Amino acid sequence: GQQVMQIPQYQHVQEGEDFTTYCNSSTTLSNIQWYKQRPGGHPVFLIQLVKSGEVKKQKRLTFQFGEAKKNSSLHITATQTTDVGTYFCAGTRTGGFKTIFGAGTRLFVKA
Amino acid sequence: NAGVTQTPKFRVLKTGQSMTLLCAQDMNHEYMYWYRQDPGMGLRLIHYSVGEGTTAKGEVPDGYNVSRLKKQNFLLGLESAAPSQTSVYFCASSGGGVGVSNQPQHFGDGTRLSIL
Repeated sequence: GQQVMQIPQYQHVQEGEDFTTYCNSSTTLSNIQWYKQRPGGHPVFLIQLVKSGEVKKQKRLTFQFGEAKKNSSLHITATQTTDVGTYFCAGTRTGGFKTIFGAGTRLFVKA
Repeated sequence: NAGVTQTPKFRVLKTGQSMTLLCAQDMNHEYMYWYRQDPGMGLRLIHYSVGEGTTAKGEVPDGYNVSRLKKQNFLLGLESAAPSQTSVYFCASSGGGVGVSNQPQHFGDGTRLSIL
């Protein structure tokens, strides 16, 4: 079945350092979504990518969708303590319906 | 606008007891989902519904049942709770329909369930 792998599982950074999490699918995706979950909270939608090679930015966050539509990344420039949380990617297989979540990358930021 | 509301927020059960988790959304969304979240496992889909009166199995449906009698409500039932069902349960909803690409999911605050 469809699998969405996310790495790393967790990362510790010093405030001001950059951070990247990667998402890889075993099948071609029609779209990929990214969510953020603060500690003790619920996942909150960040962005959706649909097109091959698409790049979108939200302030210090840059999202990319691979040319083959099988991988994606989220890059945070100059992390802040407010970036702490778990970042999930979620992909939908081309022609499918269900959105499959990756296991998430937990980001720790030390001030 | 409440979004997605889950009740209860916390619950402790004994093995073998039954209970129902309630989810209500006020966004007129067609699709609704139940997930469980365990440490290091991300979100795993239990059951989902693409419209009133319809339900379907997700990745980990065993031990759970669901019902969607009204569009705005999606109920998750545990008939005979087991310690392996200790988890955080999230309900989510999204817009959708025939020919509509996947829409973002809106999550409730979660139900923290412990089975002793």
